Amino acid sequence: EVQLVDSGGGLVQPGRSLRLSCTTSGFTFRHYAMSWVRQAPGKGLEWIGYITSTTYGATTQYAASVKGRFTISRDDSKNISYLQMDSLKTEDTAVYYCTRNLSPGGNYYYFDYWGQGTLVTVSS
Amino acid sequence: EIVLTQSPGTLSLSPGERATLSCRASQSVTSRFLAWYQQRPGQPPRLLIYAASSRATGIPDRFSGSGSETDFTLTISRLEPEDFAVYFCQQYDGSPYTFGQGTRLEI
Repeated sequence: EVQLVDSGGGLVQPGRSLRLSCTTSGFTFRHYAMSWVRQAPGKGLEWIGYITSTTYGATTQYAASVKGRFTISRDDSKNISYLQMDSLKTEDTAVYYCTRNLSPGGNYYYFDYWGQGTLVTVSS
Repeated sequence: EIVLTQSPGTLSLSPGERATLSCRASQSVTSRFLAWYQQRPGQPPRLLIYAASSRATGIPDRFSGSGSETDFTLTISRLEPEDFAVYFCQQYDGSPYTFGQGTRLEI
């Protein structure tokens, strides 16, 4: 059974950092690209970035709203994807989901499995 | 960036009825790279449809998708009680991937 478990959320002050983890099981992690998607309270979904499989260089791409502040990485030996969030702002408050990516080929991704989400609250 | 606009914002129907949800893109979504998700309260989204009309694994056949270019539709043929939720469309015709704002399907 495919499982993604998000962890690491919590209350953090503006300007500080936080690292989220997505621990996976039930599939060959190294073969898949992964993304992070967030949802502000009561709002819609926002894709924030992806990392390709290591086979394709573990390259990353980010939404403009987080580029330069957030970094996605992966550890294929542990089957974990990470989201490092720096210089956090109050508008980053959201539930953060990791997702497994599927593609018909190339970097055209939709999301077939989602973690349960972890809440990040940025407030002083 | 492709902007997706979903309508209606809220759809009020009864079990057994047919639901039709719309997703309109600000520019053509090539190769029909559009997906639909269902989100129940307190749950993560669940993939329903990809490539505009292909059902994901385990999704009942009462869910169907159609459309191309800028106009896409999710149809639920006969509503079951568990179908009352929020539905999002997503385009994956290149980064940034964007979602519609959602349609709430209520009883």
